[in-house]
Amino acid sequence: QSALTQPASVSGSPGQSITISCTGTSSDVGGYNYVSWYQQHPGKAPKLMIYEVNNRPSGVSNRFSGSKSGNTASLTISGLQAEDEADYYCSSYTSSSTPSWVFGGGTKLTVL
Amino acid sequence: QLQLQESGPGLVKPSETLSLTCTVSGGSISSSSHYWGWIRQPPGKGLEWIGHIYYSGTPYYNPSLKSRVTMSVDTSKNQFSLKLSSVTAADTAVYYCARSSSGGDYFDYWGQGTLVTVSS
Repeated sequence: QSALTQPASVSGSPGQSITISCTGTSSDVGGYNYVSWYQQHPGKAPKLMIYEVNNRPSGVSNRFSGSKSGNTASLTISGLQAEDEADYYCSSYTSSSTPSWVFGGGTKLTVL
Repeated sequence: QLQLQESGPGLVKPSETLSLTCTVSGGSISSSSHYWGWIRQPPGKGLEWIGHIYYSGTPYYNPSLKSRVTMSVDTSKNQFSLKLSSVTAADTAVYYCARSSSGGDYFDYWGQGTLVTVSS
């Protein structure tokens, strides 16, 4: 069960848009619409930002959006704000062995 | 508002068993179709799914940890628990409990996390 692949870091200026990719295989990201994204600020618990590829939980800004193409899922943040600076993790259901779930390695977003 | 709180020893000796409990408040652990899970994060590293369990069903464990993990639910106390046996320094991490969706595919409520250090 391998972790999903994310870039280690991305950056952007306030007001800009950035995209974080999450690459898996046909056994996880590509095979199911069960991709979720989490935001984690230092010393805090992760917070659900996107579920089932492109759904936002109540209370999450519409500046956050998700998509998927093939084996790669993406999180886009538009209108970057200073408070968006955090670590972001993707997660997916995987059927590679027994039913299980896997996280990406995480991406550090820096708002310049 | 649903709240989850982890509790348990912050220090465990190598080869011993790590035991954590998650207490759920603001909702019943058995009144909904949600799963309840554990995720850990070694210091400075990423998240790792440990497993999750339905209050009356079969647990699902990370294949890499399956031989050492046991999860259980105590509906009378509105708690669920994690046991990880034969721990080593590599098991040192912040351990989070969380509520999973009815399909088990995402975690929508998380505890604050508890640091467990494995050291003699």
